[in-house]
Amino acid sequence: AQSVSQHNHHVILSEAASLELGCNYSYGGTVNLFWYVQYPGQHLQLLLKYFSGDPLVKGIKGFEAEFIKSKFSFNLRKPSVQWSDTAEYFCAVNLASGGSYIPTFGRGTSLIVHP
Amino acid sequence: EAGVTQFPSHSVIEKGQTVTLRCDPISGHDNLYWYRRVMGKEIKFLLHFVKESKQDESGMPNNRFLAERTGGTYSTLKVQPAELEDSGVYFCASSQHSGTAEAFFGQGTRLTVV
Repeated sequence: AQSVSQHNHHVILSEAASLELGCNYSYGGTVNLFWYVQYPGQHLQLLLKYFSGDPLVKGIKGFEAEFIKSKFSFNLRKPSVQWSDTAEYFCAVNLASGGSYIPTFGRGTSLIVHP
Repeated sequence: EAGVTQFPSHSVIEKGQTVTLRCDPISGHDNLYWYRRVMGKEIKFLLHFVKESKQDESGMPNNRFLAERTGGTYSTLKVQPAELEDSGVYFCASSQHSGTAEAFFGQGTRLTVV
């Protein structure tokens, strides 16, 4: 079955630490990949996305993600986290379904950054 | 531009009662999705509208759930009768008609069935 897997469910870091959140998907076709973030009390919002071209994409707030096709992965990274990065992070794939697309999500990773 | 709005933000009902959730998508977005998240688990797809038509309802748990999208604008999701396991956060999202389009989410409705 087509799915999205996030390996780290809970991550706790200190400020200035580096972050990498894993995401793997199982889908053989063309993929459109996304990372969404939900800050406390807010709605889900887009962090970054990849459709084609340079596999290293940059998003808001210093985040980046790398698409590695051979590994079916789209890991999220940030060199130095801040307290304000405390949030839940969701990897998503737009899966084709009957001529349209359905955003399909991983389980999410809860990130807590200590000041 | 107004975002996706959902009503109510919270709902607490007793088992056996009926609840109707509403979602107003971004104007012009043909795609409307409903999702549910049970605490700590994945954001699970429920169904997908393209304009007023149900494109995919494979994620709907059972026939106690009924979704409509009148005239291709706002959508409602009714649970009747509600069961304890229906508790969770129900998200609505909308997007333009494109595989590369991001989904815009509402803040969700937290449903608690007691």
